Amino acid sequence: DAGITQSPRYKITETGRQVTLMCHQTWSHSYMFWYRQDLGHGLRLIYYSAAADITDKGEVPDGYVVSRSKTENFPLTLESATRSQTSVYFCASSAGESQETQYFGPGTRLLVL
Amino acid sequence: GQNIDQPTEMTATEGAIVQINCTYQTSGFNGLFWYQQHAGEAPTFLSYNVLDGLEEKGRFSSFLSRSKGYSYLLLKELQMKDSASYLCAVRDGNYQLIWGAGTKLIIKP
Repeated sequence: DAGITQSPRYKITETGRQVTLMCHQTWSHSYMFWYRQDLGHGLRLIYYSAAADITDKGEVPDGYVVSRSKTENFPLTLESATRSQTSVYFCASSAGESQETQYFGPGTRLLVL
Repeated sequence: GQNIDQPTEMTATEGAIVQINCTYQTSGFNGLFWYQQHAGEAPTFLSYNVLDGLEEKGRFSSFLSRSKGYSYLLLKELQMKDSASYLCAVRDGNYQLIWGAGTKLIIKP
């Protein structure tokens, strides 16, 4: 049982390049989330999705684009990467919105040079 | 604004007990979560509180006081593997999770 996976696990790119981070879950969870985690900050929500074709902005959406054509996939695209987007990115999913626990993928470490 | 406060770092001794506090100010409240995160790994769920009181789960317990905007995570019989960061998160009135910056717990032999 794969659960929730992310790819790539590590990525180095250059300023101005487009980068897509993949997230895949096998639980058929309705909700999926993208967070970034930086030293000294809590997890910050970038975008989330309540179902296929439904997405919404989180706390720090600028510079990011998401899509969700299938329930199991939730890719995150950095349209033109900047150094400030160097971070660890976590994808998470949950069955519902209320008290449901969020389950996290292993993370993608992104370095923008 | 919404805010979650927890200590940046704590140190404890193997076999001892440690209490990690979390205070919060949010627009509405729909539950409080504690997650554990080992270095270089993903956060994993530890506990959930929505009503006042203590929830016990093995060596870990979590307490909530909604009137005080306060929670703590209690770890008993500390083991070296408990060295990790502990994240407090509150689900606000819009069901968004607001995360604290985490408490790094260092366990010494």
